[in-house]
Amino acid sequence: QKEVEQDPGPLSVPEGAIVSLNCTYSNSAFQYFMWYRQYSRKGPELLMYTYSSGNKEDGRFTAQVDKSSKYISLFIRDSQPSDSATYLCAAPGGGNKLTFGTGTQLKVEL
Amino acid sequence: NAGVTQTPKFRILKIGQSMTLQCTQDMNHNYMYWYRQDPGMGLKLIYYSVGAGITDKGEVPNGYNVSRSTTEDFPLRLELAAPSQTSVYFCASSYQGPLGTDTQYFGPGTRLTVL
Repeated sequence: QKEVEQDPGPLSVPEGAIVSLNCTYSNSAFQYFMWYRQYSRKGPELLMYTYSSGNKEDGRFTAQVDKSSKYISLFIRDSQPSDSATYLCAAPGGGNKLTFGTGTQLKVEL
Repeated sequence: NAGVTQTPKFRILKIGQSMTLQCTQDMNHNYMYWYRQDPGMGLKLIYYSVGAGITDKGEVPNGYNVSRSTTEDFPLRLELAAPSQTSVYFCASSYQGPLGTDTQYFGPGTRLTVL
């Protein structure tokens, strides 16, 4: 079983929709989680990180962690075409390494 | 700051050829990483370094070598290229390492094809 799993998509939504991107993880030792955004043919960039359970909001983006079910979510409100990218969840494991999910490709249509 | 820079952007190699992928960061970060990204497979860690002179293997180190003689540079060496090494390679750096909240900053990537 992979330590962090994501549905690869692609996910296509109309502009203005609320988007929900999800990950599951298997390692109970993970203490916090990150979401990276990767535009086509670019390197990933950190979007948000969040500790433990609960929500963290940053503008149109909300990160949510449910440690009891080992479920991580990223919500995007009022989605824009500029949000079209691949979104990767990640968690720090042992030995200074990040474990990444495979990424979910999102397309926001006009 | 230029951040993390990688050269070349693209490269085509023949089987058995060697090459070095260059990575430089100007943020004075201690930690540097090399990843490969294959379609639908996410990012896999090849090697990482916690400081000049110190390197360690990641998840998929076979077929690669690294060195870290300075804080700024972390080159990745492919000695005998194989088609399985066709991928996009990303270099990243961070100040403290991912156990804290410090971000990993990624370079733009090198697209490598081995024929």
